This record gives sequence, C-alpha cells and structure tokens, in this order.
Amino acid sequence: EPEVTQTPSHQVTQMGQEVILRCVPISNHLYFYWYRQILGQKVEFLVSFYNNEISEKSEIFDDQFSVERPDGSNFTLKIRSTKLEDSAMYFCASSRDGADTQYFGPGTRLTVL
Amino acid sequence: GENVEQHPSTLSVQEGDSAVIKCTYSDSASNYFPWYKQELGKGPQLIIDIRSNVGEKKDQRIAVTLNKTAKHFSLHITETQPEDSAVYFCAASSNTDKLIFGTGTRLQVFP
Repeated sequence: EPEVTQTPSHQVTQMGQEVILRCVPISNHLYFYWYRQILGQKVEFLVSFYNNEISEKSEIFDDQFSVERPDGSNFTLKIRSTKLEDSAMYFCASSRDGADTQYFGPGTRLTVL
Repeated sequence: GENVEQHPSTLSVQEGDSAVIKCTYSDSASNYFPWYKQELGKGPQLIIDIRSNVGEKKDQRIAVTLNKTAKHFSLHITETQPEDSAVYFCAASSNTDKLIFGTGTRLQVFP
C-alpha cells in the first residue's frame, strides 16, 4: 500500500539555523500538507499546497516558513531561522484531491537547541 | 475559525468493553469528519471518516455517528482489544482542505 514517507526521522539543530524537512507524498496525489504537533498537544495545520502554490496557510506559517515541490516527487518544508518554539513533530500529508482523505507520514521530530 | 472540542482526554476500559469518544465542532460549514489513531512515535493513521450527508458509518468494530444539528460526532469502538490502546484524534474540515484537529483522547485498554 502506498505511503507518505518523511526524512529525516529526527533532526537536531541550533537556534537560528535553517532546516529543511523532506516528504515524498503518495505518487498520484495532488494536494500536499504540513502539520505540526508540539509534544503532548494536538496536531495543528500549517500549510496546504496544490498546483505548485500555497492554497492555504495558518497564522503559524509566518515568513520563516516556506514550502517547495522541487521535483516530481519531493515536497519540502524549510524553516529559515529556527526558534526554540519550533521544536515539534512535523507531519507531511497528501490527498488525491482537496476534499479527499489525507494520509499522513510518520513525521520528523525537530529539536531546536 | 473552526474549533473542535474532544472529550474525554483519557479513557480507560477493560478489554471487551466499548469505548466512546465525543467531539463537537463550531463551524456549521464543516462537512468532513475523519478520525485518526496515533500510536507512540508514529503519524496519525485514518481509521474511519464520515461526510455530512450521512448520519452513521460502520467498519467492523468501529463506528462513527454524526449529528449535524447539534454539531457533534462520536467514535464508537466495540469489543476493545489491547492493541486499540493509542491516542485518538477527531478532526473537521469544510470545503477548504485543512483539517482542524481535536485535542486527542488517550485510550487505554486493560487486558
């Protein structure tokens, strides 16, 4: 069964550094998402992406964040200058269309020191 | 914007008993309600979902009910097993594609 994959599984970085989290969505899916989950809290929407542009973003997704689909398979989330409060699990998800089921990857645990 | 409340935050049941988790939502435009199961260290896995044109959906031991008038929906797990132990999240979505999640319920099933 096709799955969403994410790399790395765990990323440790120093405050102020840039990080890029990578995702490979399910191959025939057209909509891509990033969510985050601070330890012990609920999953929060960050951004949705369709047709090579952002379709919606939350207030969390400020100028420090960006997303990109650099090729036909990868979908990335970049945090330009990480802050301590960016420490969280980051989940990528994809769906066939905007109203369809979203399938989540296993997540990347980001630790900002 | 949409807000989703989920109760209880923790639920302990004996193996074989039923478990019920309830969610309420605020945006009457919401029309899609998935339930996700999250095991330790893993991503959310969809277990069942329901759209606003139906009131109930069942898949083996799992069922979801939706009351659009009251704006609440519930997850029912019958004949619980230890492997059902996990954190369960409800979510809601309108015609936009983002999911708004509830705060989660930690379900423990004791043998």
